[in-house]
Amino acid sequence: GAGVSQSPRYKVAKRGQDVALRCDPISGHVSLFWYQQALGQGPEFLTYFQNEAQLDKSGLPSDRFFAERPEGSVSTLKIQRTQQEDSAVYLCASSLEGAGLRYQETQYFGPGTRLLVL
Amino acid sequence: AQKVTQAQTEISVVEKEDVTLDCVYETRDTTYYLFWYKQPPSGELVFLIRRNSFDEQNEISGRYSWNFQKSTSSFNFTITASQVVDSAVYFCALSMGVTGANSKLTFGKGITLSVRP
Repeated sequence: GAGVSQSPRYKVAKRGQDVALRCDPISGHVSLFWYQQALGQGPEFLTYFQNEAQLDKSGLPSDRFFAERPEGSVSTLKIQRTQQEDSAVYLCASSLEGAGLRYQETQYFGPGTRLLVL
Repeated sequence: AQKVTQAQTEISVVEKEDVTLDCVYETRDTTYYLFWYKQPPSGELVFLIRRNSFDEQNEISGRYSWNFQKSTSSFNFTITASQVVDSAVYFCALSMGVTGANSKLTFGKGITLSVRP
């Protein structure tokens, strides 16, 4: 079956521009996570969805960052008025909850979107 | 707060050497989960293993083995007889649960492993 996909894979934006990053999770996965990975660093949590509900957005760095998952499947991370410090790889992960089977709750990651803000 | 420390930043070995990647974690919770992920140059994080805080039994999977020691808050990863295909960045991670918001991962900074032919 298909894994987590993300688009675009690469995005170059001018400072001040708005961008939208898309994540297609594995079909049927309830949980969806967004992480931000700066160059040479480990991924850092941004936000969490359970179906369409955004239950944790404690990691969003500013109010310029907004995420949605309106139908409980595809998710979009939007960054308004991009700044150079937003340059990073944005990773999406999904997991299946409630299966009660070992490793079923494991987060499966997409390839990421590499954002460069000039 | 949770924290994961991977003190080694880069390791270079020659093929067939054994290599151990260190991971030290901090948490005040008694229930937690530890993970190792591999990130090849393609960028996608690949899940390798998950352990929970109640199970200190070491695990071996082929050339990979993991040593979990609560007494030292460590969860080290050993690759035996390394191969060039093992070259990647390896991340250790920690979560407070495996469902819901508690399953969000706290990662270390990663260790870049280079295996030379």
